[in-house]
Amino acid sequence: EVQLLESGGGLVQPGGSLRLSCAASGFIFHSYAMTWVRQAPGKGLEWVSTISGGGGTTYYADSVKDRFSISRDNSKNTLYLQMNSLRAEDTAVYFCAKGTDYYPPSFDPWGQGTLVIVSS
Amino acid sequence: QSALTQPASVSGSPGQSITISCTGTSSDVGNNKYVSWYQQHPGKAPKLMIYDVSNRPSGVSNRFSGSKSGNTASLTISGLQAEDEADYFCSSYTSISTYVFGTGTKVTVL
Repeated sequence: EVQLLESGGGLVQPGGSLRLSCAASGFIFHSYAMTWVRQAPGKGLEWVSTISGGGGTTYYADSVKDRFSISRDNSKNTLYLQMNSLRAEDTAVYFCAKGTDYYPPSFDPWGQGTLVIVSS
Repeated sequence: QSALTQPASVSGSPGQSITISCTGTSSDVGNNKYVSWYQQHPGKAPKLMIYDVSNRPSGVSNRFSGSKSGNTASLTISGLQAEDEADYFCSSYTSISTYVFGTGTKVTVL
């Protein structure tokens, strides 16, 4: 069974940094693209970033480009999201999701999410 | 990239069929066949229901179906059941290798 467990969320001041992790199990991690999607409280879903299975290709939403960095450690089956220069509008639940078998991938399944609150 | 446009809410009685629209542009929905639909119950993670416009993942009920015409994709739920009450989001791959989600639709079973 595929399992994705996010961690690293919490309260951070504007301008601060945070690193999220997503521990994966139940599948051959390095064979699949992985994605971060966020959801502000009471709002819709927003795609944040996707990384290829090997980690060599990354994609970002304009809203986080140059501030966030996606990476993965295939030896640890773990996905990361380094978030710098955080703003109030980055407050959201951050979900990690496994890419599907085909290209471009859809997102299936998703983790339960980790809450990031940016506030002074 | 602007969010895809969905109706805020759709409702139907048990057993009825409902359709949710998802309107984008020629840079996303109209540009390819890579539209997905996700179901999200309150406080839960989203679940993939449809991929590549009209394909159902294993385990998803055949009451869910998808289609697309031009810049608008649609999700139809037939034989509406109480458990279908949830938020639904469409998503499209874009011409610049990014993704965009829809604004979301709350489905209410009357």
